[in-house]
Amino acid sequence: SQTIHQWPATLVQPVGSPLSLECTVEGTSNPNLYWYRQAAGRGLQLLFYSVGIGQISSEVPQNLSASRPQDRQFILSSKKLLLSDSGFYLCAWSTLPGQLLTEAFFGQGTRLTVV
Amino acid sequence: AQTVTQSQPEMSVQEAETVTLSCTYDTSENNYYLFWYKQPPSRQMILVIRQEAYKQQNATENRFSVNFQKAAKSFSLKISDSQLGDTAMYFCAFREGRGSTLGRLYFGRGTQLTVWP
Repeated sequence: SQTIHQWPATLVQPVGSPLSLECTVEGTSNPNLYWYRQAAGRGLQLLFYSVGIGQISSEVPQNLSASRPQDRQFILSSKKLLLSDSGFYLCAWSTLPGQLLTEAFFGQGTRLTVV
Repeated sequence: AQTVTQSQPEMSVQEAETVTLSCTYDTSENNYYLFWYKQPPSRQMILVIRQEAYKQQNATENRFSVNFQKAAKSFSLKISDSQLGDTAMYFCAFREGRGSTLGRLYFGRGTQLTVWP
């Protein structure tokens, strides 16, 4: 069966420090990968989307970047965190459109607080 | 980007009653997928129900059913016999379909549902 791992679960970082959140998927190959941010009381905002190694689509301009160095690894990074980067970050995976499983499967999330 | 609108930030219902959550979306695609996800206080995202746009029949999963109106671009969720465990944030989501090489998934802002005893 497929599983998705996301870490760390909680992170407190000072303003101006770097960030690296990691997400890995097991039990499937060539997944579509997503990074979302959920601000307090708001919905899930799609940040980055990847259909393959090295292929990253950015949905909104921001202080963050994403990379996919391996097929089942997705990393969210920042060189210098801002207070506005605080939030709950979710990684997710899905198959290609049209395949049997159409929905996305989510990790446990990372609560990031920038102080 | 596709847009998904949930116009009800909060809803409440008494246990055993029925409640309907609203969702509308905007797209120019003909083939796509729609979902309702549930996010309890643990913040784990749980799939409640899915609907393929090419299917005319409304999806049903036990106490959960949808009213999919493709022409109106409306996708509401009905929860029957509400239970205390249904208390959660509910998100409507739209996924690009087979005509898209990307298959991106977009969410609404959510509806916080509280079930009262």
